[in-house]
Amino acid sequence: KQEVTQIPAALSVPEGENLVLNCSFTDSAIYNLQWFRQDPGKGLTSLLLIQSSQREQTSGRLNASLDKSSGRSTLYIAASQPGDSATYLCCGSARQLTFGSGTQLTVLP
Amino acid sequence: DAGVTQSPTHLIKTRGQHVTLRCSPISGHKSVSWYQQVLGQGPQFIFQYYEKEERGRGNFPDRFSARQFPNYSSELNVNALLLGDSALYLCASSMVVALNNEQFFGPGTRLTVL
Repeated sequence: KQEVTQIPAALSVPEGENLVLNCSFTDSAIYNLQWFRQDPGKGLTSLLLIQSSQREQTSGRLNASLDKSSGRSTLYIAASQPGDSATYLCCGSARQLTFGSGTQLTVLP
Repeated sequence: DAGVTQSPTHLIKTRGQHVTLRCSPISGHKSVSWYQQVLGQGPQFIFQYYEKEERGRGNFPDRFSARQFPNYSSELNVNALLLGDSALYLCASSMVVALNNEQFFGPGTRLTVL
Protein backbone atom coordinates (compact mmCIF):
# COMPACT_ATOMS: atom_id res chain seq x y z
CA LYS A 1 0.00 0.00 0.00
CA GLN A 2 1.39 3.37 -1.05
CA GLU A 3 2.16 5.76 1.79
CA VAL A 4 3.09 9.40 1.20
CA THR A 5 4.77 11.48 3.88
CA GLN A 6 5.43 15.21 3.84
CA ILE A 7 7.98 16.97 5.98
CA PRO A 8 7.77 19.43 7.61
CA ALA A 9 4.10 19.59 8.58
CA ALA A 10 4.36 23.36 8.96
CA LEU A 11 6.92 25.93 7.93
CA SER A 12 7.18 29.67 8.54
CA VAL A 13 9.71 31.78 6.62
CA PRO A 14 10.34 35.47 6.02
CA GLU A 15 9.51 36.89 2.62
CA GLY A 16 12.22 36.47 0.01
CA GLU A 17 13.63 33.19 1.30
CA ASN A 18 14.13 30.18 -0.90
CA LEU A 19 12.61 27.03 0.57
CA VAL A 20 12.26 23.30 -0.02
CA LEU A 21 9.28 21.10 0.77
CA ASN A 22 9.83 17.37 1.00
CA CYS A 23 7.67 14.42 -0.01
CA SER A 24 8.53 10.74 0.34
CA PHE A 25 6.62 7.73 -0.96
CA THR A 26 6.95 4.01 -0.31
CA ASP A 27 5.95 2.52 -3.69
CA SER A 28 8.49 3.41 -6.37
CA ALA A 29 6.16 2.06 -9.08
CA ILE A 30 4.34 5.37 -9.36
CA TYR A 31 3.04 6.70 -12.67
CA ASN A 32 3.60 10.31 -11.73
CA LEU A 33 3.88 12.71 -8.83
CA GLN A 34 1.81 15.85 -8.66
CA TRP A 35 2.18 18.88 -6.38
CA PHE A 36 -0.90 20.86 -5.40
CA ARG A 37 -1.61 24.05 -3.53
CA GLN A 38 -4.63 24.36 -1.26
CA ASP A 39 -5.85 27.58 0.28
CA PRO A 40 -7.92 27.31 3.50
CA GLY A 41 -11.30 25.68 2.86
CA LYS A 42 -10.71 25.59 -0.89
CA GLY A 43 -10.07 22.99 -3.54
CA LEU A 44 -6.71 21.91 -4.92
CA THR A 45 -4.78 23.83 -7.56
CA SER A 46 -2.33 21.81 -9.60
CA LEU A 47 1.19 23.27 -9.56
CA LEU A 48 3.44 20.73 -11.22
CA LEU A 49 3.12 17.20 -12.59
CA ILE A 50 6.20 15.00 -12.98
CA GLN A 51 5.78 11.83 -15.02
CA SER A 52 7.67 8.76 -13.81
CA SER A 53 10.10 9.08 -16.74
CA GLN A 54 11.00 12.66 -15.81
CA ARG A 55 13.37 14.02 -13.20
CA GLU A 56 12.00 17.53 -12.73
CA GLN A 57 9.52 20.16 -13.82
CA THR A 58 9.68 23.93 -13.56
CA SER A 59 7.01 26.62 -13.56
CA GLY A 60 8.02 30.16 -12.75
CA ARG A 61 9.49 30.26 -9.24
CA LEU A 62 8.60 26.61 -8.64
CA ASN A 63 10.77 23.59 -9.36
CA ALA A 64 9.80 20.03 -8.50
CA SER A 65 12.13 17.03 -8.67
CA LEU A 66 11.45 13.32 -8.59
CA ASP A 67 13.80 10.51 -7.56
CA LYS A 68 11.93 7.24 -7.86
CA SER A 69 14.84 5.13 -6.65
CA SER A 70 14.93 6.88 -3.30
CA GLY A 71 11.17 7.47 -3.15
CA ARG A 72 11.49 11.22 -2.83
CA SER A 73 10.23 14.40 -4.40
CA THR A 74 11.01 17.99 -3.50
CA LEU A 75 9.24 21.25 -4.28
CA TYR A 76 11.57 24.23 -4.42
CA ILE A 77 10.06 27.71 -4.11
CA ALA A 78 12.36 30.59 -4.98
CA ALA A 79 12.04 34.10 -3.55
CA SER A 80 8.97 33.29 -1.47
CA GLN A 81 6.13 35.83 -1.22
CA PRO A 82 3.27 36.24 1.28
CA GLY A 83 0.90 35.11 -1.48
CA ASP A 84 2.63 31.72 -1.44
CA SER A 85 1.13 31.05 2.00
CA ALA A 86 -1.01 27.92 1.66
CA THR A 87 -0.90 24.18 2.26
CA TYR A 88 1.15 22.26 -0.28
CA LEU A 89 0.19 18.65 -1.00
CA CYS A 90 2.07 16.03 -2.95
CA CYS A 91 0.27 13.11 -4.54
CA GLY A 92 1.67 9.92 -6.03
CA SER A 93 -0.36 7.92 -8.52
CA ALA A 94 0.07 4.15 -8.60
CA ARG A 95 -3.02 1.95 -8.41
CA GLN A 96 -4.80 4.99 -7.04
CA LEU A 97 -3.89 8.52 -6.07
CA THR A 98 -2.35 8.79 -2.61
CA PHE A 99 -1.87 12.16 -0.96
CA GLY A 100 0.42 13.27 1.80
CA SER A 101 -0.97 15.28 4.71
CA GLY A 102 0.57 18.47 3.38
CA THR A 103 2.98 21.16 4.49
CA GLN A 104 1.36 24.35 5.77
CA LEU A 105 3.53 27.23 4.57
CA THR A 106 3.40 30.74 6.01
CA VAL A 107 5.48 33.46 4.36
CA LEU A 108 5.82 36.46 6.64
CA PRO A 109 5.96 39.95 5.10
CA ASP B 1 -13.26 27.24 -20.25
CA ALA B 2 -15.01 26.42 -16.97
CA GLY B 3 -13.12 24.26 -14.55
CA VAL B 4 -14.53 21.44 -12.47
CA THR B 5 -17.69 22.58 -10.71
CA GLN B 6 -19.29 21.13 -7.61
CA SER B 7 -22.59 21.72 -5.85
CA PRO B 8 -23.60 22.59 -3.29
CA THR B 9 -20.75 24.60 -1.77
CA HIS B 10 -21.78 23.90 1.79
CA LEU B 11 -24.21 21.45 3.33
CA ILE B 12 -25.37 20.76 6.87
CA LYS B 13 -27.05 17.44 7.69
CA THR B 14 -27.89 15.48 10.82
CA ARG B 15 -26.83 11.96 11.69
CA GLY B 16 -28.74 9.25 9.85
CA GLN B 17 -29.68 11.44 6.88
CA HIS B 18 -28.43 10.93 3.37
CA VAL B 19 -26.72 13.40 1.07
CA THR B 20 -26.08 13.77 -2.66
CA LEU B 21 -23.14 15.77 -3.94
CA ARG B 22 -22.73 16.73 -7.57
CA CYS B 23 -19.78 17.30 -9.86
CA SER B 24 -19.40 18.50 -13.45
CA PRO B 25 -16.03 17.76 -15.05
CA ILE B 26 -14.08 19.96 -17.39
CA SER B 27 -15.51 19.80 -20.90
CA GLY B 28 -13.95 16.87 -22.74
CA HIS B 29 -12.92 15.04 -19.58
CA LYS B 30 -14.41 11.58 -19.23
CA SER B 31 -13.01 10.50 -15.88
CA VAL B 32 -14.32 11.72 -12.52
CA SER B 33 -12.87 10.83 -9.14
CA TRP B 34 -14.14 11.59 -5.65
CA TYR B 35 -12.08 12.30 -2.54
CA GLN B 36 -12.80 12.93 1.12
CA GLN B 37 -10.59 15.38 2.98
CA VAL B 38 -10.89 15.52 6.72
CA LEU B 39 -9.53 18.65 8.38
CA GLY B 40 -5.75 18.54 8.71
CA GLN B 41 -5.28 15.54 6.41
CA GLY B 42 -4.71 14.93 2.74
CA PRO B 43 -7.58 13.84 0.48
CA GLN B 44 -8.52 10.15 0.60
CA PHE B 45 -9.62 8.40 -2.61
CA ILE B 46 -13.24 7.23 -2.64
CA PHE B 47 -14.19 6.37 -6.25
CA GLN B 48 -13.13 6.77 -9.85
CA TYR B 49 -15.62 6.61 -12.71
CA TYR B 50 -14.89 6.50 -16.40
CA GLU B 51 -17.41 6.19 -19.20
CA LYS B 52 -20.14 5.62 -16.58
CA GLU B 53 -18.37 2.62 -15.07
CA GLU B 54 -16.66 2.35 -11.70
CA ARG B 55 -12.93 1.94 -12.28
CA GLY B 56 -11.63 2.22 -8.77
CA ARG B 57 -12.83 2.22 -5.18
CA GLY B 58 -11.04 3.27 -2.02
CA ASN B 59 -11.46 1.90 1.48
CA PHE B 60 -14.88 3.35 2.27
CA PRO B 61 -18.03 1.60 3.54
CA ASP B 62 -20.96 0.67 1.34
CA ARG B 63 -22.82 3.73 2.64
CA PHE B 64 -20.84 5.58 -0.01
CA SER B 65 -21.93 5.16 -3.62
CA ALA B 66 -21.56 7.11 -6.82
CA ARG B 67 -22.58 7.14 -10.42
CA GLN B 68 -21.64 8.89 -13.64
CA PHE B 69 -24.09 10.15 -16.21
CA PRO B 70 -23.90 10.15 -20.04
CA ASN B 71 -22.71 13.78 -19.95
CA TYR B 72 -19.86 12.64 -17.65
CA SER B 73 -21.15 14.53 -14.63
CA SER B 74 -21.23 12.55 -11.42
CA GLU B 75 -23.04 12.21 -8.11
CA LEU B 76 -21.68 10.98 -4.80
CA ASN B 77 -24.26 9.61 -2.39
CA VAL B 78 -23.71 8.97 1.28
CA ASN B 79 -26.37 7.18 3.34
CA ALA B 80 -26.87 6.95 7.11
CA LEU B 81 -24.55 9.89 7.77
CA LEU B 82 -22.19 9.72 10.72
CA LEU B 83 -20.45 12.57 12.51
CA GLY B 84 -17.18 11.30 11.04
CA ASP B 85 -18.46 11.94 7.52
CA SER B 86 -17.98 15.67 8.12
CA ALA B 87 -15.33 16.68 5.61
CA LEU B 88 -14.54 18.52 2.41
CA TYR B 89 -15.57 16.35 -0.55
CA LEU B 90 -13.50 16.97 -3.64
CA CYS B 91 -14.16 15.96 -7.20
CA ALA B 92 -11.41 15.69 -9.81
CA SER B 93 -11.62 15.17 -13.53
CA SER B 94 -9.14 14.01 -16.13
CA MET B 95 -9.28 13.29 -19.81
CA VAL B 96 -8.79 9.56 -19.59
CA VAL B 97 -8.92 6.84 -16.98
CA ALA B 98 -5.17 6.43 -16.70
CA LEU B 99 -3.88 7.67 -13.36
CA ASN B 100 -0.80 9.23 -14.96
CA ASN B 101 -3.10 11.78 -16.48
CA GLU B 102 -3.19 15.16 -14.74
CA GLN B 103 -6.05 15.53 -12.28
CA PHE B 104 -7.98 18.80 -12.04
CA PHE B 105 -9.89 19.47 -8.85
CA GLY B 106 -13.08 21.35 -8.13
CA PRO B 107 -13.61 23.73 -5.19
CA GLY B 108 -15.20 21.02 -3.05
CA THR B 109 -18.38 20.63 -1.02
CA ARG B 110 -18.07 21.21 2.71
CA LEU B 111 -20.33 18.70 4.50
CA THR B 112 -21.08 19.16 8.18
CA VAL B 113 -22.91 16.38 10.01
CA LEU B 114 -24.48 17.38 13.33
